[in-house]
Amino acid sequence: DQQVKQNSPSLSVQEGRISILNCDYTNSMFDYFLWYKKYPAEGPTFLISISSIKDKNEDGRFTVFLNKSAKHLSLHIVPSQPGDSAVYFCAASEIVGSNYKLTFGKGTLLTVNP
Amino acid sequence: GAVVSQHPSRVICKSGTSVKIECRSLDFQATTMFWYRQFPKQSLMLMATSNEGSKATYEQGVEKDKFLINHASLTLSTLTVTSAHPEDSSFYICSARTGVNYGYTFGSGTRLTVV
Repeated sequence: DQQVKQNSPSLSVQEGRISILNCDYTNSMFDYFLWYKKYPAEGPTFLISISSIKDKNEDGRFTVFLNKSAKHLSLHIVPSQPGDSAVYFCAASEIVGSNYKLTFGKGTLLTVNP
Repeated sequence: GAVVSQHPSRVICKSGTSVKIECRSLDFQATTMFWYRQFPKQSLMLMATSNEGSKATYEQGVEKDKFLINHASLTLSTLTVTSAHPEDSSFYICSARTGVNYGYTFGSGTRLTVV
């Protein structure tokens, strides 16, 4: 049972255009959502996050939108740059017992073409 | 910023041997560390949560006797894959909460290949 879903395994966009990465979740107990960028053979790097009580968070070229009623979030990258090419993971956080737990989606491979 | 150092980055071992992976928090104290495993084209799957000074909490389906986790200090957690088999070949990553914006800092990962 996949609680965090990234239905697009890959996305290709032109440099300068907008990249939109989508994520859906099923667990209403998630209280924080995060996006990570990952290169092969490296650990994920934190990009941006959003609390479940917000609907938008912006940091430079990255904006995350949360639609809680639809259990959907998206990451917008504007303008996209070739260096943004990587796998992007959506993750959701919840408190389980006394610990925080992160659940990841399968990732979306973003390719930004020059 | 917070850094988690993970070693080794790559290890090849023979079937039946044990491998230890270390994760150190370099400039902060990590009360809790998380261990993940990632198979090709799959998501990062949480294996266990380790709390300093206490027993690790394992996720369902993860064998605690096979994946030994020790978190003896606030800056070091280790994962030992015991009696490794080829199916244990995977990418193992640790992380720690840094408490900033629910930030989790990840190690650089360990590529384990069991031959």
